[in-house]
Parts: sequence; structure tokens; C-alpha cells
Amino acid sequence: SQTIHQWPATLVQPVGSPLSLECTVEGTSNPNLYWYRQAAGRGLQLLFYSVGIGQISSEVPQNLSASRPQDRQFILSSKKLLLSDSGFYLCAWSSGTAASGYTFGSGTRLTVV
Amino acid sequence: QKEVEQDPGPLSVPEGAIVSLNCTYSNSAFQYFMWYRQYSRKGPELLMYTYSSGNKEDGRFTAQVDKSSKYISLFIRDSQPSDSATYLCAMNSLRGGSQGNLIFGKGTKLSVKP
Repeated sequence: SQTIHQWPATLVQPVGSPLSLECTVEGTSNPNLYWYRQAAGRGLQLLFYSVGIGQISSEVPQNLSASRPQDRQFILSSKKLLLSDSGFYLCAWSSGTAASGYTFGSGTRLTVV
Repeated sequence: QKEVEQDPGPLSVPEGAIVSLNCTYSNSAFQYFMWYRQYSRKGPELLMYTYSSGNKEDGRFTAQVDKSSKYISLFIRDSQPSDSATYLCAMNSLRGGSQGNLIFGKGTKLSVKP
């Protein structure tokens, strides 16, 4: 069966520090991968999605970047965190078909102080 | 007009009540409709999935799609405290690329009181 792993679960980082969140998927190949941010009252905001290794689409211009160095690995990064980067970050995968839906990871709660 | 509109609530009901959660949408190309349930501090999990119009039932949950009105609903019968969560609707079309990505509602926070 397919599983998605996301870590860490909680992170507190100072302003200006770098960020690296990692997401890996097991049990499937060539998944579509997604990074979302969820802020209270604002719903799920799609940040990046990837349909293959090295292929990254950005939905929102911001302080963050994403990379997909391997087929089932998706990384969210920042060189210098801002206070506004605080939020709940979710990784998800899908098979890429319209009917498949997304499977989400357990999320990372990031607090920038 | 946003593509998907969902009342954020919060919605508070007594245990055993029938709950109705709704979303409206504007894109007539949407064909696949889903409901996700998200417990506090957890990732969303797929609860119900419906293709095109009609009803789908799974235990105490019924998903309903009315494409003519661009309106979808999730009904929860005999609601339980364990149903307390945020419910997000999601939908997409057959189109490829970014247009095939799921579009989510903002979620409705439900609280079922014992």
C-alpha cells in the first residue's frame, strides 16, 4: 500500500533562518506531488506541485522554493524565513488522474519567531 | 467570484443530529467531487468521492451533487462527537496540467456535542 511520510511534525525557527521540510512517498511510482500551506481561516493554499523529477510548478510567488531530487521525494525550502511563513504545511500525492484524489501527509506545524 | 465557496462555520450540533455541509462552485467543467475530513493538527483524509451528478452513500455519510445548480452537499446522519472535525470539499475537471489540480473549499468546522 502507498504511504506518505512528512517530517518534522513541529518546528520552531527564528526569523532569517533556513528551512527544509521533506516529504517521501512509498508504494507508488511517478506520483504527482504537492506542497500546501494551511492558515487559520484561509483554507489550503497550493504552493508547489510536481509531475516528475526536476519539474516544479509554483502557484504563489513567495519566499519559498521546492525541489524534487528523486521520484518520490519532495522538499520545501527557504533561505531566510519570514514571520509570515508560519503555518501548517502539508505534502500530498496523487496518481495524476482526475479521479484519484490526493493523499495527504500528517503535516508540519511551523512557527517562525 | 471564487471557484469554490464553502461556509467556514463553525457549526455546532448535538449528538444524534443530522448535519448538512455544503459547497457551491462556478466552474461547469468540474466532474469529480470529494469531501475530506481533517481532524485538528492532522492532514486531511478522503471521506467521500462522487463523479458527476447524483448521490453516494457510505454508512452514515451521504454525498450529493447537483451539477445544474453547481451545488454539492455532505450529510451526516446520527452525528457523533468523533465526527467533530473540519470538512473540506474539493473538486476538479478532466483537464490536464494545473487545470486538473484539485480545488478545495476553505472547510467547515463541525463540533458535535455529547
